[in-house]
Order: sequence, then C-alpha cells, then structure tokens
Amino acid sequence: ETGVTQSPTHLIKTRGQQVTLRCSSQSGHNTVSWYQQALGQGPQFIFQYYREEENGRGNFPPRFSGLQFPNYSSELNVNALELDDSALYLCASSLSWGQESYEQYFGPGTRLTVT
Amino acid sequence: AQSVTQLGSHVSVSEGALVLLRCNYSSSVPPYLFWYVQYPNQGLQLLLKYTSAATLVKGINGFEAEFKKSETSFHLTKPSAHMSDAAEYFCAVRSGNTGKLIFGQGTTLQVKP
Repeated sequence: ETGVTQSPTHLIKTRGQQVTLRCSSQSGHNTVSWYQQALGQGPQFIFQYYREEENGRGNFPPRFSGLQFPNYSSELNVNALELDDSALYLCASSLSWGQESYEQYFGPGTRLTVT
Repeated sequence: AQSVTQLGSHVSVSEGALVLLRCNYSSSVPPYLFWYVQYPNQGLQLLLKYTSAATLVKGINGFEAEFKKSETSFHLTKPSAHMSDAAEYFCAVRSGNTGKLIFGQGTTLQVKP
C-alpha cells in the first residue's frame, strides 16, 4: 500500500511569484486536506477536497486555491507569494463515506521558503 | 468553536522515566481527539485516537491516552521514555464531519540519557 506522497520536497520562491504543490493520496482514499505549518506552530487547516470539489476551508485568503483530480491526487496553488507563506505544507488523505470522514494520513510535506 | 490547548511547549525527561504530555480541549459536541508525532523534517504520524469508545486509548510505540470528560483532558502518557521518543507531539480535535483537524501548538519532548 502506497502512502501519501508530496512533491517537491523543498522549494524556494521569490515574493510575488506563484507556486504549485502536489499530493498523491493513499490508495483507497478519496479526500485530501491541506495544512500549513509555520515554524514552531501546529498545522493550520487550509482546505479540503472531496469528489473534486472544495469541501471546507480555513481562514486563508483566496490566493490559496486547490484542485483535486479524478484519481484523487491534489494540487495546492498559492499566488502572489508573501514572506509569511514560508512554511511546511502538509497534505493529508482520508476516506470519506456519506457524512463520515475517517482519520487522516499525512504526507512528509513540502518546505516552502519565500525570499 | 472547538479548540485544543497543549500545556507546556517543552518537556524534558530522563530515559526510562514517565512521559506525560498534557492536552485540554474545548468542544460543544462529543469530540474526536488525536495525538500525532512529528520527527524532524517529517510529516505527522498518528499515535492514537479517541472516537467515543473506550476512554483509555492505547496507541503505537507504547503510548496511551485517557479521555476525561469532566476535566476536558486527553493527556498522553508512556511509562518509560526511549531516546527515540524525542520529537514534537501534537494534540488535535476533529471539527465537523469533514474531518478537519484543529491542532494544538505542539510539545517538544526531549529525552536525556
């Protein structure tokens, strides 16, 4: 069974640029959630995708957007990067069935540095 | 609104000593609670979860946690610390049916030889 994978591992961008982070969910999982973890902090929920639609969003501006593909993989896009966007971005996959969503399994994360 | 508070950003124990990491939650509905561990430069690994069944939950690597509704607590314990337990530990509560997790600030566990 393949776990959650994320790419790239590390990324350095300049303020104002755009970035795309990628996530492949664990086999059998149909839901992907994205979290931002700033240095020394707990992860903060960005949004979740289920059946290719956004299914919940945290307190993040619209320049944070995402996609989920038919194979349940996902992308996180951030436009107009700011210095405060520097963080570890974590993807988590889970299985949702009806109204229930089961435990989340996390990938290793992408470390984004904005200079 | 649900929230989690972890008491103590750093905990230091000697190898072989008891590990106690504290977590208090706030929730208007019966909570689903989780403990995750994060090793340096890695993602989060689930240690254990409480989903309203038994109040004492056993997890991986010898960790366990007890759900105490009267104290709104879900403290993580391990009878004997290993050097390999040194890591960052996060308590989290599930919010709503989407499975969104709300995390505490984390506790760094240091294990001294």
